[in-house]
Parts: sequence; C-alpha cells; structure tokens
Amino acid sequence: AQTVTQSQPEMSVQEAETVTLSCTYDTSESNYYLFWYKQPPSRQMILVIRQEAYKQQNATENRFSVNFQKAAKSFSLKISDSQLGDTAMYFCAFMKPGGSEKLVFGKGTKLTVNP
Amino acid sequence: GAGVSQTPSNKVTEKGKYVELRCDPISGHTALYWYRQSLGQGPEFLIYFQGTGAADDSGLPNDRFFAVRPEGSVSTLKIQRTERGDSAVYLCASSRDREAEAFFGQGTRLTVV
Repeated sequence: AQTVTQSQPEMSVQEAETVTLSCTYDTSESNYYLFWYKQPPSRQMILVIRQEAYKQQNATENRFSVNFQKAAKSFSLKISDSQLGDTAMYFCAFMKPGGSEKLVFGKGTKLTVNP
Repeated sequence: GAGVSQTPSNKVTEKGKYVELRCDPISGHTALYWYRQSLGQGPEFLIYFQGTGAADDSGLPNDRFFAVRPEGSVSTLKIQRTERGDSAVYLCASSRDREAEAFFGQGTRLTVV
C-alpha cells in the first residue's frame, strides 16, 4: 500500500517570502501521479499542482512549483511571493493510475502567511 | 451547477440514528468519490463509483456505511446506527474520466452526539 508523509504539521512565512513544504511517499509503482491540494477554511480541496512520475521536468503553476525527486521519493512544494490568501492546509497526495485512481493523502501542513 | 455540491453542509445527529449525505457531481462527470476527513487528518478514501456502479468500496469502514448512485449522477452516502467515531467531514469529488482532475465539494461536517 502507498503511504504519504508530511513531516511539517505547521509552517509560517512572511508575505512576499518563499516557503517550501515537504512530502515523502512510499510506493513500489513506477508510474503514478503526485498532487498538492490546498484546503482553506471553506473545506473545499483545491488542486494546486500535479506531477506525473514519468515526466522528469518539475511542474510549475505560476507562483507554485515542485521539486520531484523520484529516486528519493520526495515531492516538495515551493510557494514563491507568498500571499495572505495562501494561508490554508496543504495536502500532498498520491494516485496510481488504473483501477479506482483514488487519492492517498498525507496528514497535511498548516501554512500561515503573516503580513 | 458549476461545481460539486454537497448537502447538508453540517449535520448533527444523535448516536444510533441514521443519516444520509448527498453529493451532486459536476454534470457529465462519470467518476465519483467519497472521502472521510477526521480532525487533524488528511482525507481517506471510502468508495468510488464509475457511472452507476460502485467500482471500489474497499475504503468503507464497516457494513454500517453504504453508498448509492442509482442514475449515475447524484450519490448518497448512508450511515446506519451512527457512532461518535463517525464524526468527521465527508468529502465528495467527481472527475470527467480516468486520470482527469478530481473536483471536490465543500463537504458535509457530521457530528454525532
């Protein structure tokens, strides 16, 4: 079974600064997807960024980028130019394609952006 | 609607009662998922529907939990004889097809007292 570990329960950053959230995972699969989701107090999970394991190039979405290290099974999220609206819970998730394609989530990191 | 809709937003029930939680997926999305998020945890998979059929119900914790999707659109998660340990946020997600992005609703917060 796959597991996802987020070792930072809470993080804080000053507005406009850069912060990196860590995620490691365990799997024997060679093909899979990794995700970062944001969950604000509204409870709705919002997709931030997605990485396909067979792609060596790290995914980027505007201020959000990942550092995907397949051999180390590491998938960190970097948020540049942090904004107050980035304050939320962030969850790392794993998905094996084929079958049910369910998401396996970590426990989350609570990020606070301070003015 | 434009997004995944879940009702009710909050539900308080007494231990031992029966509850139904509803999910309206995005129109045309064939895949539908239910997840349970306990306090301080990430969401955990409960069940997956492809169309009308439950293709994977391996995450349902016991036989008190059941879900249906009779017409391949709206889904209902049913919990019998609720226990205090069932208190959690129940999230629904839908996607257009396989490997497509999953869109989540805002969840139903269930509190069993």
